[in-house]
Amino acid sequence: ELKVEQNPLFLSMQEGKNYTIYCNYSTTSDRLYWYRQDPGKSLESLFVLLSNGAVKQEGRLMASLDTKARLSTLHITAAVHDLSATYFCAVTQGGSEKLVFGKGMKLTVNP
Amino acid sequence: GAVVSQHPSRVICKSGTSVKIECRSLDFQATTMFWYRQFPKQSLMLMATSNEGSKATYEQGVEKDKFLINHASLTLSTLTVTSAHPEDSSFYICSASELPEKLFFGSGTQLSVL
Repeated sequence: ELKVEQNPLFLSMQEGKNYTIYCNYSTTSDRLYWYRQDPGKSLESLFVLLSNGAVKQEGRLMASLDTKARLSTLHITAAVHDLSATYFCAVTQGGSEKLVFGKGMKLTVNP
Repeated sequence: GAVVSQHPSRVICKSGTSVKIECRSLDFQATTMFWYRQFPKQSLMLMATSNEGSKATYEQGVEKDKFLINHASLTLSTLTVTSAHPEDSSFYICSASELPEKLFFGSGTQLSVL
């Protein structure tokens, strides 16, 4: 059974600081996604990572994938308050579009 | 870009009534759509895979007679929560894929059963 674990689940940080959050998954996966969710809203797609060593950056967020370690990281650079949200990673398996989600990480960036 | 539309965004109903939620792919055809459920402050859990022209595939523990899924066309899937009860109150989200790595989510439906 494919399981996805995120670490940490809660993070409170100051504006301007950097931090890395982690996503581990238990079995081989085809694709890994990072999503952002604001309270009461649906999911906003941030990144999709397809292959070992993939790195993608958008603004203050950078995601990477190590398929051998079954690990993805989401690095936050110089955090700003607007980044406050819940961040989910999710993986697919076996060519399916079904997603298995991590529990999500609630990020609070304090001014 | 491709968009998935979901309606209604919020519904409040009395216990025992049925509620239908629609999920539409607006500018692409989706032979497969997915329905997820999210309880407050929790993650998303896949409920079922909606297959155009055939029966939905339900995840373990999801009652197929309670959560009726119909995927009658390549752009529309519906989820009907039958005889809703307060424990069915949740955020329901659909997703559809245009291409293998292009997955889009609907805006979600907050269901509150009184």
